[in-house]
Amino acid sequence: SQKIEQNSEALNIQEGKTATLTCNYTNYSPAYLQWYRQDPGRGPVFLLLIRENEKEKRKERLKVTFDTTLKQSLFHITASQPADSATYLCALDFRDNYGQNFVFGPGTRLSVLP
Amino acid sequence: DAGVTQSPTHLIKTRGQQVTLRCSPKSGHDTVSWYQQALGQGPQFIFQYYEEEERQRGNFPDRFSGHQFPNYSSELNVNALLLGDSALYLCASSLGYGYTFGSGTRLTVV
Repeated sequence: SQKIEQNSEALNIQEGKTATLTCNYTNYSPAYLQWYRQDPGRGPVFLLLIRENEKEKRKERLKVTFDTTLKQSLFHITASQPADSATYLCALDFRDNYGQNFVFGPGTRLSVLP
Repeated sequence: DAGVTQSPTHLIKTRGQQVTLRCSPKSGHDTVSWYQQALGQGPQFIFQYYEEEERQRGNFPDRFSGHQFPNYSSELNVNALLLGDSALYLCASSLGYGYTFGSGTRLTVV
């Protein structure tokens, strides 16, 4: 079965620095990968999608890379702010003959310290 | 434009009881997926509904069942509740790529 790992359960960084979160996967070749943000007690919110033929995707202060050889995605938040503190989840698409769903990693809890 | 609406927001049940959770998808979305999220873990896929049929299913027992109605809304039913069923239950709707999640139903089994 697919296995998804995210680099650490928790990550603390200083405000203004770049946060880098890692997502590694095995036993699958996803067509695309997504990153979500989740605040306590709320549902995940979609941030970015990157396809297997894309190396990098940017959106404002966010950047995602996708290396299908290493089976790894990196998620960067530049000029981090305390408001960026949340849990970040990566999700891989899973397809079979019946449809498609997403398999989520365990998440990394990011704390940006003022 | 309303997003995904889930009800109730919180629920406390006793072991052995049955529970029904409800989800209204985002306007225009025809696919509904249900996830279980235990504290400190990522969401785990339960099943997905499309055109009123269960299209995919994750590794959950038959105690977990669902339904999708013609207006695309959906229900998740759990029978014979166990303490381990305590979790945040998330509904996500989609039309193509990307999910829109609801805020979830927090189920506590005592």
